[in-house]
Amino acid sequence: AAGVIQSPRHLIKEKRETATLKCYPIPRHDTVYWYQQGPGQDPQFLISFYEKMQSDKGSIPDRFSAQQFSDYHSELNMSSLELGDSALYFCASSPIIAGFYGYTFGSGTRLTVV
Amino acid sequence: DQQVKQNSPSLSVQEGRISILNCDYTNSMFDYFLWYKKYPAEGPTFLISISSIKDKNEDGRFTVFLNKSAKHLSLHIVPSQPGDSAVYFCAASTSGGSNYKLTFGKGTLLTVNP
Repeated sequence: AAGVIQSPRHLIKEKRETATLKCYPIPRHDTVYWYQQGPGQDPQFLISFYEKMQSDKGSIPDRFSAQQFSDYHSELNMSSLELGDSALYFCASSPIIAGFYGYTFGSGTRLTVV
Repeated sequence: DQQVKQNSPSLSVQEGRISILNCDYTNSMFDYFLWYKKYPAEGPTFLISISSIKDKNEDGRFTVFLNKSAKHLSLHIVPSQPGDSAVYFCAASTSGGSNYKLTFGKGTLLTVNP
């Protein structure tokens, strides 16, 4: 079965550079979520999209932006990277009625800022 | 403010015995509770969930119990197997406008010893 695809799996960037993370949801899933998990931390909700519109916003820095495209894939754009942005970034997708069934996570992108 | 709390960072259990993972929450608006399992270098995988109108949900070796008055839920794994060794995240969500944004606990590392 198709899963949530995230690319790249690993990314190394220098401070003040930009990074773009991509997420391809499961077909027919219309909602995409982005989470950030720092070392030893729980996943923190960043932002979500439903039908290509932002549906909720969490602790996403102003330096970050995201969007969902017409094919439902999503991109997280991160600018002026800081050392503290080093984390695992997970994307997840779900059908709109995800409540009881949770959502499906991708394998994550590990971003290292040096 | 941690709305979902997993107070035990780790738990070690013998194979064949019961594993009990605990989770407390503070937000009385949560109406879905989920458990995710996470292996290193992989995204969280949905395990089992429970709606706030129920007090128990069972799926094979996994049972989740919900005590709404105590704002407490637990995941029981019986019998525990070495393959169950992973980090278990408790998560909660509210239905409605937030499109099931999940709030995670910090996770409990379960080790099942052969």
